[in-house]
Amino acid sequence: NAGVTQTPKFQVLKTGQSMTLQCAQDMNHEYMSWYRQDPGMGLRLIHYSVGAGITDQGEVPNGYNVSRSTTEDFPLRLLSAAPSQTSVYFCASSYSRQGGGYTFGSGTRLTVV
Amino acid sequence: ELKVEQNPLFLSMQEGKNYTIYCNYSTTSDRLYWYRQDPGKSLESLFVLLSNGAVKQEGRLMASLDTKARLSTLHITAAVHDLSATYFCAVDNRRSGAGSYQLTFGKGTKLSVIP
Repeated sequence: NAGVTQTPKFQVLKTGQSMTLQCAQDMNHEYMSWYRQDPGMGLRLIHYSVGAGITDQGEVPNGYNVSRSTTEDFPLRLLSAAPSQTSVYFCASSYSRQGGGYTFGSGTRLTVV
Repeated sequence: ELKVEQNPLFLSMQEGKNYTIYCNYSTTSDRLYWYRQDPGKSLESLFVLLSNGAVKQEGRLMASLDTKARLSTLHITAAVHDLSATYFCAVDNRRSGAGSYQLTFGKGTKLSVIP
């Protein structure tokens, strides 16, 4: 049971480049989400999904795009990277029914230069 | 908008001492979580608190929840160096049928236990 798998673990981008952060879970969780963690800010929700084909914005969605074509995968796309997107990104999943806890991936450390 | 406030944000304590981290939140919630994060690592789940008056203990850590006061505490007993980490509380305002699933984090408490 792999849990939540994020790739890559580290990435350096140039301003203006695009890329996709991958997130996959094998627990059949309906709910998946992306957070960014910045020093002194805690974790802030970017986008989330409550099932295949259903996504919604979180607190800081600008500059990011998501889709959910399968239950297992929830990729996060940076459309045109900016230095302000330098951060550590975490993917999390959960059952959407009441009582489900959250499982976090190991994180992706992104630097935009 | 749900707001979660932790204090203190930084805590330096000697081994063997006791201390409490506080987590206040602004709206009614279904459940509250405590996580531990070591430098460069992901979040490790410590406690899930589901109801008013819930108390859970694991080793030297004890967490409690008062939903009426919208307050959770993480109490550290006889601290040891291995407890040095950043601790986050997070409030889940997921509601059945509401279509809103938000896990809102506090800013974290960086704990340093000094030998």
